[in-house]
Amino acid sequence: KQEVTQIPAALSVPEGENLVLNCSFTDSAIYNLQWFRQDPGKGLTSLLLIQSSQREQTSGRLNASLDKSSGRSTLYIAASQPGDSATYLCAVLSGSARQLTFGSGTQLTVLP
Amino acid sequence: GAGVSQSPSNKVTEKGKDVELRCDPISGHTALYWYRQSLGQGLEFLIYFQGNSAPDKSGLPSDRFSAERTGGSVSTLTIQRTQQEDSAVYLCASSPGPSADYGYTFGSGTRLTVV
Repeated sequence: KQEVTQIPAALSVPEGENLVLNCSFTDSAIYNLQWFRQDPGKGLTSLLLIQSSQREQTSGRLNASLDKSSGRSTLYIAASQPGDSATYLCAVLSGSARQLTFGSGTQLTVLP
Repeated sequence: GAGVSQSPSNKVTEKGKDVELRCDPISGHTALYWYRQSLGQGLEFLIYFQGNSAPDKSGLPSDRFSAERTGGSVSTLTIQRTQQEDSAVYLCASSPGPSADYGYTFGSGTRLTVV
C-alpha cells in the first residue's frame, strides 16, 4: 500500500526567504507526482505535475524535483511572499487502480 | 464548464438523514474521483470512476456510502443515515483519462456537517 509522508508538518518563514518542502513515498512504482495548494476552506489548486520519467518541473517561483528511485520529491519556493501562505499537498498516482495517494500536507506561513 | 463544480458548497444535516452530494466534472473528462477530508486529516480516497468501467469502490468506508455516475459525466455521492463522523469536506476531482500524462483538477468541495 502506497504511503506518502510530508515534512515538515508546518513551517513559518519571513517574507523573501527561499524554502523547501519535502515529500516521500514508499512505493517507487508511480505514474506521476502532483503538488497542490489548499487555502483554508477551499479546494485544491494544482501547482506542478511531474511524470515518472521526469526529474523536475518549474512554474514561476516554484520548482519541483522527483527522485523516483529514492521515493522523494521536493517543492522549492523562491522568494516567498505572504500570499504563498497555504497548505501544500503532495500526491502520487500509483497502483493498478491508479489511485491518487496524498500526504498530510505542509502548512506554510510566510510572515510579512 | 471551465472547472469541476460541486454542489452544495455547504450542507448541514441531522444525524440519521440521507444526503446527496453532486459533482460536475470538466466536460470530456473520463476519470472522476471522490475524496473525503476530515478536520485536521489528510485526503481519504473514496471511489474512482473511469469511463464505462466498473468503479473502484475500495475506499468507501461503509455500506451507507454509495456513488453513481450517469452518462459518464455527473456523479452523485450518497450517504445514508448520516453519522457525526461523516462530517468532513467531500472533494471531487476529474482528469481527461487514465493516462499518467494527466493531472487531476479538483472542485471546491462540499462541507458536510452532521448535527
